Amino acid sequence: ETGVTQTPRHLVMGMTNKKSLKCEQHLGHNAMYWYKQSAKKPLELMFVYSLEERVENNSVPSRFSPECPNSSHLFLHLHTLQPEDSALYLCASSRGDHNEQFFGPGTRLTVL
Amino acid sequence: GENVEQHPSTLSVQEGDSAVIKCTYSDSASNYFPWYKQELGKGPQLIIDIRSNVGEKKDQRIAVTLNKTAKHFSLHITETQPEDSAVYFCAASGGGSEKLVFGKGTKLTVNP
Repeated sequence: ETGVTQTPRHLVMGMTNKKSLKCEQHLGHNAMYWYKQSAKKPLELMFVYSLEERVENNSVPSRFSPECPNSSHLFLHLHTLQPEDSALYLCASSRGDHNEQFFGPGTRLTVL
Repeated sequence: GENVEQHPSTLSVQEGDSAVIKCTYSDSASNYFPWYKQELGKGPQLIIDIRSNVGEKKDQRIAVTLNKTAKHFSLHITETQPEDSAVYFCAASGGGSEKLVFGKGTKLTVNP
């Protein structure tokens, strides 16, 4: 295992639901990332947090809301999603001064 | 911004043969080039990386080469085994940014 855990592993939600994805890293890293992985597309960076501050928001719709309460935990709050938001959502972490990113197993999200 | 192209999108080899996956990048300031392996139902796992101050790096059956002038880098897997079957992603970052830009992936199938 990489030291990055994600829950839940699978999530099915309706368009009016509110849910949250959780990521936790046990590597002592200080940067965390959310990526979206859709079929036949490159991994899309959504958000970057460094030292618990958001340093990048890659033009992500406001129906996705990240939260980083400390350097070990990262959340992605979801509300009023669309079916095209169905994808694998991956969390990753890294040391701030290194580029190596370690990924969690992902949450497979299906929006009905 | 950075753009990473990856070829081929699918690759099928016989067990014991070699496999080569190639990537090109556009930003000459990029200085870090990792390769990830993603197995079904798992997140991407870092398998090897190279920085721009070296031209080649090897780890057992896996090697990566970098040509900074041509802005391309390649993954070489020798003596392939069925467990090497997975999707492989290249990525590039640098120039002051921790942001990784990924290729679209190569699905490698190693036939017994």
